Amino acid sequence: EVQLVESGGGVVRPGGSLRLSCAASGFTFDDYGMSWVRQAPGKGLEWVSGINWNGGSTGYADSVKGRFTISRDNAKNSLYLQMNSLRAEDTALYHCARGYDLLTSWGQGALVTVSS
Amino acid sequence: EIVMTQSPATLSVSPGERATLSCRASQSVSSNLAWYQQKPGQAPRLLIYGASTRATGIPARFSGSGSGTEFTLTISSLQSEDFAVYYCQQYNNWPPWTFGQGTRVEIK
Repeated sequence: EVQLVESGGGVVRPGGSLRLSCAASGFTFDDYGMSWVRQAPGKGLEWVSGINWNGGSTGYADSVKGRFTISRDNAKNSLYLQMNSLRAEDTALYHCARGYDLLTSWGQGALVTVSS
Repeated sequence: EIVMTQSPATLSVSPGERATLSCRASQSVSSNLAWYQQKPGQAPRLLIYGASTRATGIPARFSGSGSGTEFTLTISSLQSEDFAVYYCQQYNNWPPWTFGQGTRVEIK
């Protein structure tokens, strides 16, 4: 069974940083690209960032470009999202998802709240 | 960036009835269109990809159609577990992949 478990969420002040992690199991991690998708409270889905199987290709939404960095460690079956210069509008539930384009499995999410 | 527009925002349907959800792309995405279902408090689940292919384990009452800029998700006979929010997503032009704003299917 595919499992994706996010961690690292929390409350942070505007301008602060946070690093999300996603632990993957139940599939061959380095066979897949991976993505982060967020959902602001009561709102829809917003794709944030994606990374291919070996980390050689990454992409970002314009809203986070230059502030967020996606990475992966295939030896640890883990995906990461380093979030810097956080803003109130980054407040959301951040889902880790298997896939680079088509998102075939999703984690339950890690809640990030940016507030002073 | 490709804008995905879903309609209606909310669809009220009685159990056993058919539901038809629409998704329109601001430019052609070929058949690179997926549908996801999200129930309250749960992560989204992939239903349809390639505009019309059901994902593993998805019941046959879910069907997708369309190509280019116009797409439809049809639920042939709504079951109680189908009341949820449905999102379309294009994965033709990257970055970014883009989602529609969602259609909520509620009990009439």
